[in-house]
Amino acid sequence: AQTIHQWPVAEIKAVGSPLSLGCTIKGKSSPNLYWYWQATGGTLQQLFYSITVGQVESVVQLNLSASRPKDDQFILSTEKLLLSHSGFYLCAWSLGTNQAPLFGEGTRLSVL
Amino acid sequence: QQKVQQSPESLTVSEGAMASLNCTFSDRSSDNFRWYRQHSGKGLEVLVSIFSDGEKEEGSFTAHLNRASLHVFLHIREPQPSDSALYLCAVRITGNTGKLIFGLGTTLQVQP
Repeated sequence: AQTIHQWPVAEIKAVGSPLSLGCTIKGKSSPNLYWYWQATGGTLQQLFYSITVGQVESVVQLNLSASRPKDDQFILSTEKLLLSHSGFYLCAWSLGTNQAPLFGEGTRLSVL
Repeated sequence: QQKVQQSPESLTVSEGAMASLNCTFSDRSSDNFRWYRQHSGKGLEVLVSIFSDGEKEEGSFTAHLNRASLHVFLHIREPQPSDSALYLCAVRITGNTGKLIFGLGTTLQVQP
C-alpha cells in the first residue's frame, strides 16, 4: 500500500483563482513533511517543512502557504494563483532529517 | 549557499553498459548526499544515500563520494531500458530543516 498520497494528480487553474493541494501520509507516526516545487526545466526547490502538527516553516517565498492540520496531512494553498506557480509539486516525508525524504507522485499544476 | 551541478546534462548508453553520472557541490562541510531518479511525470525514487567518503552500493547503483574534490558520482551497473529517467543529485544542508539542494539532473537514455 502506498504510504504517501497526493491529490489532485493534476490541476488546470486560472490566474487569480485559489488553490489547495493535499498530501496524506499513512502508517507513519510524526513524520517530517516537506513541500517541494519543480518549475518546468528547473530544479527542485523546498518550499515548506513541518516537524510537527500545527508547525510549518517557510523556506522559499512564493506567495504560497502551507498548513499541517493533522499529523498525517500537509496542505499547500494560495488564495490567488500567479502564472509563475505553474509546475510540479511534490510532497515528501522522512522520519527525522537524516533519513532520505521519500516523495509522493506529485501534482502537475498549470496556471493559465 | 550550497550549489549543486550535474553533468552530463544527458547521457545515452547501450543496455548493459556502465553509466556514470557526476555531481559537483560547493560546500565541503556537507555530509549527506542522495541520488534520486524521476521517471517522466512521476515522483522521485531514492536510489542511494551516502554520508562519508568512499563508496556505497544499493543494488545496481553505486555512489562514490570524494568531499576533497567536491564530487559525488553515481555508477549504474548493467542498466536496462527501464532505467531511462532523470537522475537527480541532492545535497542536504546543515541544520534541522532537512532541506535538500538538488541539481538540474542528468537525463539517462538506455538503448536496447
